[in-house]
Amino acid sequence: EADIYQTPRYLVIGTGKKITLECSQTMGHDKMYWYQQDPGMELHLIHYSYGVNSTEKGDLSSESTVSRIRTEHFPLTLESARPSHTSQYLCASSVHGGGGYGYTFGSGTRLTVV
Amino acid sequence: DQQVKQNSPSLSVQEGRISILNCDYTNSMFDYFLWYKKYPAEGPTFLISISSIKDKNEDGRFTVFLNKSAKHLSLHIVPSQPGDSAVYFCAAINTDKLIFGTGTRLQVFP
Repeated sequence: EADIYQTPRYLVIGTGKKITLECSQTMGHDKMYWYQQDPGMELHLIHYSYGVNSTEKGDLSSESTVSRIRTEHFPLTLESARPSHTSQYLCASSVHGGGGYGYTFGSGTRLTVV
Repeated sequence: DQQVKQNSPSLSVQEGRISILNCDYTNSMFDYFLWYKKYPAEGPTFLISISSIKDKNEDGRFTVFLNKSAKHLSLHIVPSQPGDSAVYFCAAINTDKLIFGTGTRLQVFP
């Protein structure tokens, strides 16, 4: 049973369009993340948030932006999609405690810009 | 500068045998390591983790070994099953963020 949801699963869109990838979690986690993965490559962190109204850029530069107005919602927006944005985008949330770490990933959005 | 490295892009193992996936890291400040399994067009699924204060953690068919002096960890799967065929990612935690390796594609054949 998925506790973190991403929509859409697949998106094919034309160059120049504005898109928003949705990510919601029902676990009440404060920390949320966006990763980008190109085929055969590692997952790169592009954005993260430690709570409401907190957003930071990750290790990989991205033209996308994020917002965190509610704890459970962490959408990612591309103002003007380009073919170079074609990739898989993965959202995650995490909780730390008891000496351990729990990260949960959504199923991802595979974006194709034509 | 890649901090987490998986030098074997692929591994092929016969069903029932042991699969050993390796991972090296460069940052001695990492204090927690995780292994994830990933299918194409799906999100990573957590498998097993290990704290830097331990050298072994076992969960069913999965065992992770950590050698801090060598900055090396490995995932052992025994016995391997065809359903284990996927891409396996090693990851380390740095200031609450996961840093992933490039992945190893495991294929388990009958």
